[in-house]
Amino acid sequence: EVQLVESGGGLVQPGGSLRLSCAASGFTFSSYAMHWVRQAPGKGLEYVSAISSNGGSTYYANSVKGRFTISRDNSKNTLYLQMGSLRAEDMAVYYCATSSSWYSTFDYWGQGTLVTVSS
Amino acid sequence: DIQMTQSPSSLSASVGDRVTITCRASQGIRNDLGWYQQKPGKAPKRLIYAASSLQSGVPSRFSGSGSGTEFTLTISSLQPEDFATYYCLQHNSYPLTFGPGTKVDIK
Repeated sequence: EVQLVESGGGLVQPGGSLRLSCAASGFTFSSYAMHWVRQAPGKGLEYVSAISSNGGSTYYANSVKGRFTISRDNSKNTLYLQMGSLRAEDMAVYYCATSSSWYSTFDYWGQGTLVTVSS
Repeated sequence: DIQMTQSPSSLSASVGDRVTITCRASQGIRNDLGWYQQKPGKAPKRLIYAASSLQSGVPSRFSGSGSGTEFTLTISSLQPEDFATYYCLQHNSYPLTFGPGTKVDIK
């Protein structure tokens, strides 16, 4: 069974940093592209970032470019999102998701982790 | 960037109704589109991929159609468990973009 379990969310002050993790199991992690998607309270889904299966390619939405860094450790079956210079508008539930290739739709999603940015 | 629009933004329907949701892309995306269902407090769940292919385990009352710039999700006979928000997602080019969502609630 495919499982994606996010962790690392919590309360952080504006300007602060946080690292999210997504632990994967039940599939060959190193064969899949991975993504982060977020959802602000009461709002729709927003695409955040992507990383290719071998980590060689990454993509960032303009809203997070230069502040967030996506990475992965295929030996640990884990995806990361290092978030810095956090703003109130970054407050959201962050989901990780898989896709079988760089240009395919999302197959599976994690349950999400909440990031709250507040002083 | 490819912009995705959805209509309607919300609808009220009764159990047994036929429901159609439309998603439009600002430029052609072939059939690079998926449909997702999200219930409150839960992660999205894929219903349709490649615009018209039914995800394994999803009831056959769900169907998708379209290509290019206009796509539809149809629920042939709405069931109580179908009350949720539905999103389309284009994966033709980056940034991948979601539609704003369509909330389906009980009339």
